[in-house]
Amino acid sequence: DIQMTQSPSSLSASVGDRVTITCRASQGITNYLAWFQQKPGKAPRSLIYLASSLQSGVPSKFSGSRSGTDFTLTISSLQPEDSATYYCLQYNTYPLTFGGGTKVEI
Amino acid sequence: EVQLVGSGGGFVQPGGSLRLSCAASGFTFSSYAMNWVRQAPGKGLEWVSTISGSAHITYYAASVKGRFTISRDNSKNTLWLQMDSLRVEDTAVYYCARDSANYWGEIDYWGQGSLVTVSS
Repeated sequence: DIQMTQSPSSLSASVGDRVTITCRASQGITNYLAWFQQKPGKAPRSLIYLASSLQSGVPSKFSGSRSGTDFTLTISSLQPEDSATYYCLQYNTYPLTFGGGTKVEI
Repeated sequence: EVQLVGSGGGFVQPGGSLRLSCAASGFTFSSYAMNWVRQAPGKGLEWVSTISGSAHITYYAASVKGRFTISRDNSKNTLWLQMDSLRVEDTAVYYCARDSANYWGEIDYWGQGSLVTVSS
């Protein structure tokens, strides 16, 4: 199985900050990586697919990138509503595997 | 508007069975693969199972293979997860989720989740 190592597990930032979350795949997954946002008590929301493509309706403050097997989610100009847990998902190979999550506090 | 409405969660004793349902609307259900993803209390997301649009192909996580069965009825726009031989560690919120039309596993929409509690 492909392991997705997500870091950091939590972070605290201020309004207006730019934050970066990373997922490292244990083997190559090309660009088959997605990012999700989950607020407490709610279903996840899809943000990014194919490592860097924005889902419809997602603000451009969210962006994704890839460098080899390292994937990054960047949130620019952090706002209070961005407080959530963020997960990556590799869908290159079954079983699909998620990263452990990053809790973003503002 | 894509909508996925889950139901069927509840309380069950270890070794028991439960069937989850997910009613889909707002898209051509038969054209999309569907998934179940779960989240244990206070934990992260775990993929459980995937079924193709035609229902001919299914995948399962090792943790549920042989105990859970994913199925769908495209005439009723409904997805199911039959859960047998339930264990305490199966306690979780179960989400149904749609794959995009582009790639298997590329989840784009999520249902609201159904809580399953397995306890004696």
